[in-house]
Amino acid sequence: QVQLVQSGADVKKPGSSVKVSCKASGGTFSTFPISWVRQAPGQGLEWMGGVIPAFGSPNYAQKFQGRVTISADESTTTAYLELSSLRSEDTAVYYCARSSGTYSPYDFWGQGTLVTVSS
Amino acid sequence: DIVMTQSPDSLAVSLGERATINCKSSQSVLYSSNNKNYLAWYQQKPGQPPKLLIYWASTRVSGVPDRFSGSGSGTDFTLTISSLQAEDVAVYYCQQYYSTPALTFGGGTKVEIK
Repeated sequence: QVQLVQSGADVKKPGSSVKVSCKASGGTFSTFPISWVRQAPGQGLEWMGGVIPAFGSPNYAQKFQGRVTISADESTTTAYLELSSLRSEDTAVYYCARSSGTYSPYDFWGQGTLVTVSS
Repeated sequence: DIVMTQSPDSLAVSLGERATINCKSSQSVLYSSNNKNYLAWYQQKPGQPPKLLIYWASTRVSGVPDRFSGSGSGTDFTLTISSLQAEDVAVYYCQQYYSTPALTFGGGTKVEIK
């Protein structure tokens, strides 16, 4: 059974950066897409971007272009999300999620990481 | 990107009664070559990540109770809970996976007990 375990909650100052990790276990890592989805307090789900670890070229939502970096380390089966120039509106729970293929829904999710942006 | 629109935003249903959630996509998510609708439904309970309930618009994930059913094709879809149970209180999201990599979600529908 696939498990995705994310790093812990973080508090950041406006203008800084945050890096969230997502450690995968129990399945094949390299060839399945990993995406990052965020959820602001009381709001819906927003796709930020994703990567297929073996291919290494991430895709990003236009909204986050220039501020987001998604990467994956096959040797440690860990995916990463880095978001820069943080503002209060970036306060959210960040989830990693895995699909079983390019045209597949998310069948496995991490537990979520709360990032709070506050001065 | 394909825009997904859900309705209603929230609904309150008595225990044992039917709950119906609608989802509309801005373009068809039916792939003609395999006649499959690239539409999924998720359930999210407070403090938890979303859980995949249904894919291909109407296929239940193993272990999902059969009171949950999905229907529809093309641009219009429905999630039905035939007999609402207390444990079904949650927010439900539809998602298209026809147009990748941006797998867009609907805005969510909150289901409560009346």
